[in-house]
This record gives sequence, C-alpha cells and structure tokens, in this order.
Amino acid sequence: NAGVTQTPKFQVLKTGQSMTLQCAQDMNHNSMYWYRQDPGMGLRLIYYSASEGTTDKGEVPNGYNVSRLNKREFSLRLESAAPSQTSVYFCASSEVGRRKNIQYFGAGTRLSVL
Amino acid sequence: AQKITQTQPGMFVQEKEAVTLDCTYDTSDPSYGLFWYKQPSSGEMIFLIYQGSYDQQNATEGRYSLNFQKARKSANLVISASQLGDSAMYFCAILPPRTYKYIFGTGTRLKVLA
Repeated sequence: NAGVTQTPKFQVLKTGQSMTLQCAQDMNHNSMYWYRQDPGMGLRLIYYSASEGTTDKGEVPNGYNVSRLNKREFSLRLESAAPSQTSVYFCASSEVGRRKNIQYFGAGTRLSVL
Repeated sequence: AQKITQTQPGMFVQEKEAVTLDCTYDTSDPSYGLFWYKQPSSGEMIFLIYQGSYDQQNATEGRYSLNFQKARKSANLVISASQLGDSAMYFCAILPPRTYKYIFGTGTRLKVLA
C-alpha cells in the first residue's frame, strides 16, 4: 500500500526554469494538498483541492499553479523558478468529512533553485 | 484567525523518561480537530495522534497521549518511556470546522539522550 507518492525526491533548477512536481494517492481520498516547509516556519499551505475538479489557494500560492488531474493525482507547477522557492515540498491527502480528517503525507521533494 | 503556537524550539529528554511537548492554539470555533505529527531526520511526516474538540476523553495511542485542556486551548503531547527513535521534530496542527486548511505550528525538536 503506497499511500501518497511524490516525484521527484530531489531537484535542482536554475532561476527561470520550470518544473512540475507530481503527487498521487491510492487511498481514495477526496482532498489533496501541497505544502512547503522552510526552516523555522513549519508547513505552509500552497494550494489545496477539496475534491476532484476544484482547487483553491492556500497561504503562499504566488509563483505556483496546480492541477487536479483526477481523484488520485494532484500536480504542482513552478512556471519560472526563483531562489525563494528553494524548499521542501510535501503533498498530502485526507478525507475531510470523516471524523478524524487525518492528513497523510508523501516523502517530500527537496528543491533547490540556483 | 486560527493559530498554533509551539513555544519550545528544542527539548532534551533522557531515554526511558517521559516528556511533554507544548501546543497552544487560538480559535473561536467550538468544533475543531487537533493533530500531532512526527518528522524524523529522514524527512517524512508521520501522523501520531488526533483529538477532537468534543471528545470526552484525552486521546492515547500507545506511548503517545494528549493532555487536552479545552478551556486553556492547549493540546500537549506526552511521550512516555522515551526511546532514541523518538528523536525528531514534532508538529502540532489544527483543522478548524468547515475548512480544508490545516494550520501547523513551527515545531519542537526533541532529542532523546542515551
């Protein structure tokens, strides 16, 4: 049982390059999320998708776009990477509406923008 | 606005001793969920324990328990019989009602000493 799978695990970009982070979950969850984690700042929500076909901005959406491709997959795109986007990115999924609403996380993507 | 505060950036505990990690939150909603996650040095986010605001009893999961004091808006994590493998970052999070936006604290780094 894979849970939440993120690819790639590591990536180095030059300023201005673009890339897409992929995320897939096999738990049949409706909701999916993208976070970034920076030292001393905990997790900050970039975008989320409450259900297939919907996406909404989180706390720090600037510079990012997302696509909820289907119920399983939720991708994050950096159109023109900047050094400020150097971070660790986590994808998560949950079934909001169930009692516990537990989020399950992928292993993370460590991104460096030079 | 909802907020999570973890005031202890770092903690030390002797192996086999108990340790309490503090978490306070600020919300005006009577209904919410509280979560604790562990992040070891390998980077993944691991769900530990959940407490619903209307739960009559404090949550327990093995060696983890929550000291939930609703009136004080605190949800401290207690780890009993600490093990070396408990050395990690610990994050507290809240999910307010009618939202998909989980809010995370900045974390506490726990070091278990042999």
